[in-house]
Amino acid sequence: SQQGEEDPQALSIQEGENATMNCSYKTSINNLQWYRQNSGRGLVHLILIRSNEREKHSGRLRVTLDTSKKSSSLLITASRAADTASYFCATVQETSGSRLTFGEGTQLTVNP
Amino acid sequence: KAGVTQTPRYLIKTRGQQVTLSCSPISGHRSVSWYQQTPGQGLQFLFEYFSETQRNKGNFPGRFSGRQFSNSRSEMNVSTLELGDSALYLCASSPGFVRNTEAFFGQGTRLTVV
Repeated sequence: SQQGEEDPQALSIQEGENATMNCSYKTSINNLQWYRQNSGRGLVHLILIRSNEREKHSGRLRVTLDTSKKSSSLLITASRAADTASYFCATVQETSGSRLTFGEGTQLTVNP
Repeated sequence: KAGVTQTPRYLIKTRGQQVTLSCSPISGHRSVSWYQQTPGQGLQFLFEYFSETQRNKGNFPGRFSGRQFSNSRSEMNVSTLELGDSALYLCASSPGFVRNTEAFFGQGTRLTVV
C-alpha cells in the first residue's frame, strides 16, 4: 500500500521558475527520501532527510520535513527543461524494517 | 564505480511461463531490494536481501521469490506468470540497510506478459 500522497499529481512550469512538490505520510518514519524518474527508467536518488532533521539542501534542491504534520516538501529552484521527470517521495517507516514505501509521484514538466 | 546493472532490460513472456531477472549491485554494496512498478499500483516493495538472507518481504504471492549470492548479486523469479505481472521491475542496492542510507536503482527490467 502507498504510504505517501503527493501533491500535486502534475505540475507544469516555465524554465527559470521554482517548483514545489509536497508529500504527506501516515506513520512514524525513520527517514524520508526523494527520487527522480525519467520516462519509466530507473530511479535517481536526490536527497535523504532523517526524522530528526528539518531541512536539507543539495544544489538547487531544498527539502523540508515536518514530522508533526507528517509532511515533506521538495523545492527545485531555477528549474530547467532537464528537470522534467516524475518525482517520488519514499519513507522508511519505523516499524517496517528496511523497505522504501513510495508515494504516487508528481509529474513535473518544465517548458523551455 | 559501475552502477546497478539489471538484465535483461526487456522481456516478453507468455502467461503460465516463469521468468528470472538478474541484478548486479554496486561493488561493495551488501543490500539488494526489488520493487515492482505498475501504472495502477505504483512502486511496491517486493523483498530485500542482505548478506544472502531475505530480511524483509512485501505483500506479494509466493510466485515471487528471490535470492542473493555470496557476491551480492541477486535474482528474482516469478513463476506461473499472469497478465498482471507486466511491470517495470527495479532493483536497488545499498551499502547497508536502506533504513540508514539511500538506495541506488538500476534501469529496470520491463516485463510484458502476453
